[in-house]
Amino acid sequence: ETGVTQSPTHLIKTRGQQVTLRCSSQSGHNTVSWYQQALGQGPQFIFQYYREEENGRGNFPPRFSGLQFPNYSSELNVNALELDDSALYLCASSFPGGYGYTFGSGTRLTVV
Amino acid sequence: QKEVEQDPGPLSVPEGAIVSLNCTYSNSAFQYFMWYRQYSRKGPELLMYTYSSGNKEDGRFTAQVDKSSKYISLFIRDSQPSDSATYLCAMRVETSGSRLTFGEGTQLTVNP
Repeated sequence: ETGVTQSPTHLIKTRGQQVTLRCSSQSGHNTVSWYQQALGQGPQFIFQYYREEENGRGNFPPRFSGLQFPNYSSELNVNALELDDSALYLCASSFPGGYGYTFGSGTRLTVV
Repeated sequence: QKEVEQDPGPLSVPEGAIVSLNCTYSNSAFQYFMWYRQYSRKGPELLMYTYSSGNKEDGRFTAQVDKSSKYISLFIRDSQPSDSATYLCAMRVETSGSRLTFGEGTQLTVNP
């Protein structure tokens, strides 16, 4: 299997709800990062996981959390959704410190 | 002030034109510089990767980094309609793992 796959493609949630987004890393990549991309903006780093542990975090509140599994797949969980959480959520996999970041096509989350 | 500044455009050019895209940055610790292309409703795709200052050429694409001026550029020669996309510059420091800091992105349209 090649490439990074994300699911679901689109999602609509109500303010206050919780959401889980999923990512399957590119084969051989053991580092996964999550980014939030608001409309018309560049992606913003949320956090990074390596060997199932978070080892870097951007300026996002604790209600954004994640998991990485032994097969290097990953989840992004967002609690207490706010309207401003509406964005494209991107997953990227890589070797640690490598430059070969491969992005998935993203999950478009709409909070109403 | 944002760490990475990029003119969002939009930029519209005729087919065959030379396109120049630029970013400035404020963090002198950035060592790795990348350009990504993002088509509508897709994830970013790595185009060019440069370490420290200098030039790098790949086909119709040339990336330049001037660390003394904190300025990076991407040139596209003989632009094609298929080059129409949003172009994102991205940077990272040596010790930041996979954490990338992106510009806002420049929307480019190449007209046939």
